[in-house]
Formats: sequence, structure tokens, C-alpha cells
Amino acid sequence: GENVEQHPSTLSVQEGDSAVIKCTYSDSASNYFPWYKQELGKRPQLIIDIRSNVGEKKDQRIAVTLNKTAKHFSLHITETQPEDSAVYFCAARREQGAQKLVFGQGTRLTINP
Amino acid sequence: GAVVSQHPSWVICKSGTSVKIECRSLDFQATTMFWYRQFPKQSLMLMATSNEGSKATYEQGVEKDKFLINHASLTLSTLTVTSAHPEDSSFYICSARDLVRANTGELFFGEGSRLTVL
Repeated sequence: GENVEQHPSTLSVQEGDSAVIKCTYSDSASNYFPWYKQELGKRPQLIIDIRSNVGEKKDQRIAVTLNKTAKHFSLHITETQPEDSAVYFCAARREQGAQKLVFGQGTRLTINP
Repeated sequence: GAVVSQHPSWVICKSGTSVKIECRSLDFQATTMFWYRQFPKQSLMLMATSNEGSKATYEQGVEKDKFLINHASLTLSTLTVTSAHPEDSSFYICSARDLVRANTGELFFGEGSRLTVL
């Protein structure tokens, strides 16, 4: 089955700087890659997703890149703000078949004022 | 957006008792719902895929007789933790896809249920 590896496990950056979180996946048939933000004790919230037919997607300060050949994808947050502090999870899934979403281990992002 | 509601949000029970957690899709229909478990400071681990009108599909290592899943309608799935023990204490989260907006790929999550077994 699918296995998703996420790095780093913790990340601390100064407010205004950029943050990058990286993930790799094992199932070459996976073609949907969402990123979730989870605050303590809350449900995960989708912040951006990308499908395998595109290499990059951007939404304001957040962008995701996908390298399907290398089977890795990354989350980029620019101009970070204190409210960006949270745990971020990447995930991967096949659009067909079981469609179950497999999560990475998570990255605890801390934005220092 | 689509709303998934989970109840109860937290529950404390004695060891050996059973606890039922409900997951409802409030404004859409879901033939498939997914149950995840999350231990403190860890990732979401898929426990099982709940299919409306049929048996759930459990992930490797998850005991189907201990974690009973019922998906009796297109808007409701339940997870029952039977004979709960302290090691079952965790955050349980359900999720579902909106059939109508299935092409978006997005999974909608419930608020989660924090189970503490004494």
C-alpha cells in the first residue's frame, strides 16, 4: 500500500520568512495530494491540493509543487505569520479504487514573532 | 462547504465498557466514510473504510471485532469501541467525500472525538 514520508517533523522560522515542508510517496498510482493544517484538538483543514496532471499550484501565500517522476511534493508558505503556526500534514491518494487517504507523519510549524 | 458532524466530541468511560461515536454528513450524501485514529503528537492513521450498506474494510492491524463500524444510511456512520481499555484512549476522527462534488477530491473531516478510558 501507499506510504507517505514527511520532513521535517518540526520547523521553526522567523515571521516573514518562508517555510518548506517536503513529502515523498511510494505508490506511483497516487494522483491526488492534499495538504492539511491542524490546530491543537481540532479537525484537519484542507489548505491546498494538487493533482498529478499539474506540477505546481498556488493560492496566495501557499504553493504546492509536485514531481511525479521522483514521487515527491512540497508545501511552500511565504511571508509567514504567527497564525500559520500549526501541524501540517501531507497526504496521498488514488482517485480510483479504494480512494483512501494516507497521511504523512506531520510537521509542527512554529512562527517566531 | 460540506459539513461533517461528529458526536460526542469527548467521552470518558471505564475500562471494559463500550463507546459509540457517530459521524454524520449534514448537507451531503456519503456512500463512503473513513475512520481515523490520532494519538497525541502523531499522524492520522486510517482504521477502516465504512461503506453504506455493506461491511467495512479494515486496515491491517485493526481489530474488526473491537472497532465495530456500521454505515446504515448515506449520512450516518458509527464507530463502536467495544470493551474499551486505556490503550484505546485516542482522538478518533471521521471523514467523508461529497458524492456530488467528488471530482474535487476533498475529504471533509468531523470535529473528532476524544476518548479517554480510565
